[in-house]
Amino acid sequence: EDQVTQSPEALRLQEGESSSLNCSYTVSGLRGLFWYRQDPGKGPEFLFTLYSAGEEKEKERLKATLTKKESFLHITAPKPEDSATYLCAVQEAGTASKLTFGTGTRLQVTL
Amino acid sequence: ETGVTQSPTHLIKTRGQQVTLRCSSQSGHNTVSWYQQALGQGPQFIFQYYREEENGRGNFPPRFSGLQFPNYSSELNVNALELDDSALYLCASSLGTGGLGTQYFGPGTRLTVL
Repeated sequence: EDQVTQSPEALRLQEGESSSLNCSYTVSGLRGLFWYRQDPGKGPEFLFTLYSAGEEKEKERLKATLTKKESFLHITAPKPEDSATYLCAVQEAGTASKLTFGTGTRLQVTL
Repeated sequence: ETGVTQSPTHLIKTRGQQVTLRCSSQSGHNTVSWYQQALGQGPQFIFQYYREEENGRGNFPPRFSGLQFPNYSSELNVNALELDDSALYLCASSLGTGGLGTQYFGPGTRLTVL
């Protein structure tokens, strides 16, 4: 069964203090790994899809990387508006349907 | 381009009642997936519909059922509501054969069961 573990559960950063969020996964064959951002009481907002080890994607202050066992979401010089829960999900090859999510990392960025 | 929409926004029901939640997929998307998200947890896959047929199901009992219509909109029905069904219900749409392609989420329906 697919498993996704995210760490840390919660992270508090000061504005400008860079850090990384981790997503470890166990899947028989990876079709894709997805990062989403979720604000309280709202639906997840798509950020990135990564398909193979070594792949990297960037968007503004966020950069996602992928290895065969884990993914990192690097946040460079964060701002308070980056505060949210960041969710990681995997999609297994051969099952073109479900996403299996981790429990997320709650990020708070303070002034 | 219209994104994924869901209705209603909030709903309060009592134990044993039935509920129907609705989802309109993003323009051009032909696949709809439903997820349940309990407080403090990640979304859990309920099922997916592609071309009006169920295309995968998670570990949810049969009292969770769904439909997809020719315009690709979808309904989630839950019978015999239990207290543990209280959650945020999320709909996601995607384009591709049965789930391939990125899933884009709607704002969710917050269901409270008393």
